[in-house]
Amino acid sequence: DTEVTQTPKHLVMGMTNKKSLKCEQHMGHRAMYWYKQKAKKPPELMFVYSYEKLSINESVPSRFSPECPNSSLLNLHLHALQPEDSALYLCASSQDRGTPDSNGYTFGSGTRLTVV
Amino acid sequence: QQPVQSPQAVILREGEDAVINCSSSKALYSVHWYRQKHGEAPVFLMILLKGGEQKGHEKISASFNEKKQQSSLYLTASQLSYSGTYFCGTEQNSGAGSYQLTFGKGTKLSVIP
Repeated sequence: DTEVTQTPKHLVMGMTNKKSLKCEQHMGHRAMYWYKQKAKKPPELMFVYSYEKLSINESVPSRFSPECPNSSLLNLHLHALQPEDSALYLCASSQDRGTPDSNGYTFGSGTRLTVV
Repeated sequence: QQPVQSPQAVILREGEDAVINCSSSKALYSVHWYRQKHGEAPVFLMILLKGGEQKGHEKISASFNEKKQQSSLYLTASQLSYSGTYFCGTEQNSGAGSYQLTFGKGTKLSVIP
């Protein structure tokens, strides 16, 4: 299995709602990431998990809360979001640090989030 | 630190060549190249780690200069399927053994018949 699976594919939520994005990989990768991508912009790093521990938090507002229940799963809990948080949220995984044989980061197809 | 990518956009006719550049003010651990088609996830193309390295598959290749601060992606004899946005991603040690990938702003490549 060489895929990263993200659910749901689309999500519309109100500013008072609580929702969660889910990500799963079965490639044995030990690093998992959340990226946020706005239209016509590059993906922006939000969080990095390495060996199931949060290792990087790029000053993301607390209304985004990541969770890594095990080495295959990554969640992003959303609460009290703002309309400007509307974006494509991408999950990715990798063998941690890049190596000559690395296949880089494998990205899921993303969750397109709209906050109303 | 975000790498600087150029050009922002390029239009090619089928069969023409293109070069996309990516540079950083600091030496990098690695450079990744990705292609993203509209509405899809970025797809990994290749990674370069060593200064002076050149790598390629089919008609897409890349180089990493000796100082490990600049990389170029070469697309030769372009095909319609090459259309998309190309991102370079640079990897730096963020401490405690963690490496983070930061993307350049992207180059939109359009190949026309």
